[in-house]
Amino acid sequence: GQQLNQSPQSMFIQEGEDVSMNCTSSSIFNTWLWYKQDPGEGPVLLIALYKAGELTSNGRLTAQFGITRKDSFLNISASIPSDVGIYFCAGQANFGNEKLTFGTGTRLTIIP
Amino acid sequence: DAGITQSPRHKVTETGTPVTLRCHQTENHRYMYWYRQDPGHGLRLIHYSYGVKDTDKGEVSDGYSVSRSKTEDFLLTLESATSSQTSVYFCAISEVQSGINTGELFFGEGSRLTVL
Repeated sequence: GQQLNQSPQSMFIQEGEDVSMNCTSSSIFNTWLWYKQDPGEGPVLLIALYKAGELTSNGRLTAQFGITRKDSFLNISASIPSDVGIYFCAGQANFGNEKLTFGTGTRLTIIP
Repeated sequence: DAGITQSPRHKVTETGTPVTLRCHQTENHRYMYWYRQDPGHGLRLIHYSYGVKDTDKGEVSDGYSVSRSKTEDFLLTLESATSSQTSVYFCAISEVQSGINTGELFFGEGSRLTVL
């Protein structure tokens, strides 16, 4: 099946730093989505991308749909304590396809 | 708020016993999903449903069955639980726009299952 490689697996940063993470695939996806999961809760959708090259922001978060359709990037600017959690990328092979493929997640920790 | 409720939220059971997890939604969404989450594996699709009595397998469906007899409820059953099925189970629904599944999932709060 399709697999998404998400990196880094974990990040330890100081408050105020910028964060970058990415997701790559060996096959093409036509939709990329980014989710965040807080401890003890279900993942929450952050950003959805539907077009190659698309750059979309949600507050301090910015995500990009790679031109090759095989990767996506998420940046967080000026991190704050509530950014702590696990970030997942997900891809949909075809728009309208019922199934998503998820990455294994990037765990973000903020060092006091 | 997608109005998704999972029950039970926590369950401990013994190997070989049957277990049913329930997902209830209040907003008439067509698509419903069951995922399991394990360290190092992210979220893996077990089964999904695209309508009443319409279900299909995901990537890790062995040992699981599902049923959807009405729009609002999607049940996940482990006929004979094994220790490898210890996991956190998430139900999700997806948004549909102009009749097309957008892939935007909204998750429940999860059900933590421990099989001893």
